Amino acid sequence: DTGVSQNPRHKITKRGQNVTFRCDPISEHNRLYWYRQTLGQGPEFLTYFQNEAQLEKSRLLSDRFSAERPKGSFSTLEIQRTEQGDSAMYLCASSLGEGTGGHQPQHFGDGTRLSIL
Amino acid sequence: SQELEQSPQSLIVQEGKNLTINCTSSKTLYGLYWYKQKYGEGLIFLMMLQKGGEEKSHEKITAKLDEKKQQSSLHITASQPSHAGIYLCGAVVFTGGYQKVTFGTGTKLQVIP
Repeated sequence: DTGVSQNPRHKITKRGQNVTFRCDPISEHNRLYWYRQTLGQGPEFLTYFQNEAQLEKSRLLSDRFSAERPKGSFSTLEIQRTEQGDSAMYLCASSLGEGTGGHQPQHFGDGTRLSIL
Repeated sequence: SQELEQSPQSLIVQEGKNLTINCTSSKTLYGLYWYKQKYGEGLIFLMMLQKGGEEKSHEKITAKLDEKKQQSSLHITASQPSHAGIYLCGAVVFTGGYQKVTFGTGTKLQVIP
């Protein structure tokens, strides 16, 4: 399967613990995005990478959150000292860069559902 | 900031019926995505519209972007149970030379056999 892959699918942890999620984008895509989605809401933008460079972080991404894409391929999102409010679905998406074809659609993975006890 | 409002918030239709979902933007749309999401899963890309007046179809789903580029509609003809899910519209927002997507809150569709 050549789609966006996210691991783990589900994560249950106690408040205060650290968690790390992984995203493997579609191989030829140089752009990678992280979103967070809570129940009944649309996804909210968290951060964006072009290759290995992190070009924007939303104000939703507090200091407890960090994302990396060390070699411009897979990405990790880490949450330190988790809080109840961190419970959500964390979605990763990837896309090609803008080209002569105009906007390139973002393709999403199935997400990691985080539950904080 | 750009805000998207979707209507209706939820919809229950009998199998075989047609339906329309609307997405209204607070600002001019540079691009508009439609995605479908099943509960607990990721988003499936349906269509992307960029030009005012543009219309695209895929199987029994048609999406339009109005001339003023502030509203889009998604129309499903002869709905089937497989169409059930949450439909999300997303506006392309340009920031510093790249795009990110701002999503509406979604329309939940149930199709009764």
